[in-house]
Amino acid sequence: IQLTQSPSFLSASVGDRVTITCRASQAISTYLAWYQQKPGKAPNLLIYAASTLESGVPSRFSGSGFGTEFTLTISSLQPEDFATYYCQQLNSFPRTFGQGTKLEIK
Amino acid sequence: QVQLQESGPGLVKPSQTLSLTCTVSGGSISSGDYYWSWIRQSPEKGLEWIGYIYYSGATYYNPSLKTRLSLSVDTSKNQYSLKLNSVTAADTAVYYCARGADQPFDRWGQGTLVTVSS
Repeated sequence: IQLTQSPSFLSASVGDRVTITCRASQAISTYLAWYQQKPGKAPNLLIYAASTLESGVPSRFSGSGFGTEFTLTISSLQPEDFATYYCQQLNSFPRTFGQGTKLEIK
Repeated sequence: QVQLQESGPGLVKPSQTLSLTCTVSGGSISSGDYYWSWIRQSPEKGLEWIGYIYYSGATYYNPSLKTRLSLSVDTSKNQYSLKLNSVTAADTAVYYCARGADQPFDRWGQGTLVTVSS
C-alpha cells in the first residue's frame, strides 16, 4: 500500500493551524498512524487508529479520516512542533510509510 | 518504561553481511504482548519497514528484502537481531529497532547509522 503525503514541505508561523494530508493507494479503514520526527531522533508516535491520541501527546494534535484519505491537524503551532511528520499504515503487510512532510518556520 | 538500543558495526563492506542487535530493557520480549520490528531510513527511500519477529521466533519479512534477510530472537538476553547479506551502497541507512508491527511503533531505539563502503 502506497501512502502519499501532501504537502511535502510546509512553511508556517507559531500559532498557525496546519493540516497535513495522507492518501492511501487502497482503502485501509482507520489503520493509520502519525509520527513526528526531529533531526537526529527516532520518530515519535503521535496518533494511531487515525484519530486516537497517544498518551502524553498534546491535545493540539488531532487526526481524522477513513478509507483512503486522512489528515493530521495541529491547531496552534508551537515552536517545538517544527519537525517532519510521517503517516504509516497498519492495514496490511508490509507496513509502509508516507514520504514525510517537513514543517518549517516561516 | 521500555527502552530499545541498537548495536553493531557502523561500517560494512559491499557484498558482506550487516549484523545488528537490539537490546530491550524495562520490559520482556517473552511477554508475547508485542511484535518487534526493524525499520531503516535513508534519504533515498525514506522510512522502510524491514520486518518483525515475535518471541516465539515467528517472523515476517518485507518482500523487498526477504531473500537477503534473517531475523532472530534471544529471549534469555532480551535481544533480537538482524542479518542482511550481500549488502550494497543502497543498504546504507539509519537502522532502528522498534516495538510493534501489528500495533503502531510506540517505542524506538535511538537508531544506528550503517554505511556500506569499501
